[in-house]
Amino acid sequence: DADVTQTPRNRITKTGKRIMLECSQTKGHDRMYWYRQDPGLGLRLIYYSFDVKDINKGEISDGYSVSRQAQAKFSLSLESAIPNQTALYFCATSPRAGEYNEQFFGPGTRLTVL
Amino acid sequence: AQSVSQHNHHVILSEAASLELGCNYSYGGTVNLFWYVQYPGQHLQLLLKYFSGDPLVKGIKGFEAEFIKSKFSFNLRKPSVQWSDTAEYFCAVNAKGNTGKLIFGQGTTLQVKP
Repeated sequence: DADVTQTPRNRITKTGKRIMLECSQTKGHDRMYWYRQDPGLGLRLIYYSFDVKDINKGEISDGYSVSRQAQAKFSLSLESAIPNQTALYFCATSPRAGEYNEQFFGPGTRLTVL
Repeated sequence: AQSVSQHNHHVILSEAASLELGCNYSYGGTVNLFWYVQYPGQHLQLLLKYFSGDPLVKGIKGFEAEFIKSKFSFNLRKPSVQWSDTAEYFCAVNAKGNTGKLIFGQGTTLQVKP
């Protein structure tokens, strides 16, 4: 009974291909985030969205784009994948601003770009 | 810019040993602090969080953390680790007024030997 789901869970692709990673949530949260995780670097924020019409770049947005199709859906696209985008990608959600800005994470998508 | 530093990148302990993982952040204002854990093959889960009040915070599975404002630190502790605590641990900081963005440390891999 996952609250935050990601598809696909694993993906191998080739350089230059367009890839879309999808995230859905049933938590009713307004805020959604995309991170990538690399060994020794922790999680770095790619994009975040505070509602359907509010999308913002994170610290490493180059080479990525996002779409917030609905409150519950937030997709990450790699327009032309390159090998250094090989990483573990996490989607997260959080409630609207205030004291309770704990984030809830999805299971991750392992992407390999050959 | 805000940053989070975890000093221990890889820790190896025997079962029943005590654990302390360091976390320091750079931000002079009010912060919310988190420790997340990632068990092998799983997504990030919240261990504990500090928003205000008692600086000694207790989390799940016997973990606790102490917020020391003067040292900009939020170290994670457990008196006696178990093999099942083998995981990667992430410290994260959200600065109030930072619109819900979390800044993560690099992560610490904990290996507990049975």
